[in-house]
Amino acid sequence: NAGVTQTPKFQVLKTGQSMTLQCAQDMNHEYMSWYRQDPGMGLRLIHYSVGAGITDQGEVPNGYNVSRSTTEDFPLRLLSAAPSQTSVYFCASRPPGYGGRGEQFFGPGTRLTVL
Amino acid sequence: GDSVTQMEGPVTLSEEAFLTINCTYTATGYPSLFWYVQYPGEGLQPLLKATKADDKGSNKGFEATYRKETTSFHLEKGSVQVSDSAVYFCALSNSNSGYALNFGKGTSLLVTP
Repeated sequence: NAGVTQTPKFQVLKTGQSMTLQCAQDMNHEYMSWYRQDPGMGLRLIHYSVGAGITDQGEVPNGYNVSRSTTEDFPLRLLSAAPSQTSVYFCASRPPGYGGRGEQFFGPGTRLTVL
Repeated sequence: GDSVTQMEGPVTLSEEAFLTINCTYTATGYPSLFWYVQYPGEGLQPLLKATKADDKGSNKGFEATYRKETTSFHLEKGSVQVSDSAVYFCALSNSNSGYALNFGKGTSLLVTP
């Protein structure tokens, strides 16, 4: 298994540009999520999905859009990039069972800079 | 709402020293508690977890006990190595938030030879 993969690893955007951060997992996990990591802030939840066709907002969803058409993929879209979205973005997935109490497994991250 | 508070770093220790990183939480009900570790330039890796009061999670020499009476989940290791240098995150998940992870701000650990 490749686990959770993310592309690209690095990205530089100009203010107002749009882009999609890709996330995929090959472990057949239903639950997937996106976090952003900022210095001194820990990780904050952007959006999550409990299965194909189902998504919901997390703590900081503004400026981001998600969809989940397959179990494997959970892309994150930046609609109109702003400097405040400069961050490191992590995708994660969680195996079924444990009543939702299991660990989440994280991808390697995408470092995004918005100029 | 639920929250996690960790001791601020950086923490600097000599090799073979005893490590404690404090973590306390505020939550309703019965959350699950986790420690994650992030090595430089990498994503987070699960280190250990506990899902109910008095459970002890352990992995790679690290331990943490779920203390409901003190709402704590302190991370300990008896003898740290240089390779333990990383950022450590305490987190909880709870049914009232769909079991999403709620992280503390992280504690940076540097172990010197």
